[in-house]
Amino acid sequence: QKEVEQNSGPLSVPEGAIASLNCTYSDRVSQSFFWYRQYSGKSPELIMSIYSNGDKEDGRFTAQLNKASQYVSLLIRDSQPSDSATYLCAVRGGGNMLTFGGGTRLMVKP
Amino acid sequence: NAGVTQTPKFQVLKTGQSMTLQCAQDMNHNSMYWYRQDPGMGLRLIYYSASEGTTDKGEVPNGYNVSRLNKREFSLRLESAAPSQTSVYFCASREGQGNQPQHFGDGTRLSIL
Repeated sequence: QKEVEQNSGPLSVPEGAIASLNCTYSDRVSQSFFWYRQYSGKSPELIMSIYSNGDKEDGRFTAQLNKASQYVSLLIRDSQPSDSATYLCAVRGGGNMLTFGGGTRLMVKP
Repeated sequence: NAGVTQTPKFQVLKTGQSMTLQCAQDMNHNSMYWYRQDPGMGLRLIYYSASEGTTDKGEVPNGYNVSRLNKREFSLRLESAAPSQTSVYFCASREGQGNQPQHFGDGTRLSIL
């Protein structure tokens, strides 16, 4: 059973809108949470990390973490066609390993 | 700044052939990882090395072996390739302490006929 769940999408939003990507995880001892962006045919690229409950903002990106409810989300404001990609949620427990979700494909339409 | 370098970028094998995928990082990271990614799926961990001299199985280790040659290099070997091992393989590295993220190489696209 997969421990990190994401809706596979595609999630389609118009240019300029807010895209909201969600991820739930099962391991309550998870400590670190990461969002990676992956363009088609390319490698995953880290865009956000979050470790504490609440919001963390970086430019147009906001990561939100709620450990009690075991979910982490990524908001992309003013979405651009260049944001069209697959977004991977990754969770680290107490050790060295990351567990990845299956990814959500985002499509931003001009 | 090269980061994580994987070779080769593409490879086609016949069933039963053997092959070693190479990975090297120049960030002085302690931990290194091998993943496979199949169409429409996330990344699945094959093997990892928390530090030089140690290796551990991940989620899908069957059919693979690894060697942590030194702190920089971590290789993945397919002893007898099978069509089910057709995939994109990613190597990653991480500082190994605290909340540091993993950094990925560009991947090796492997097809087994």
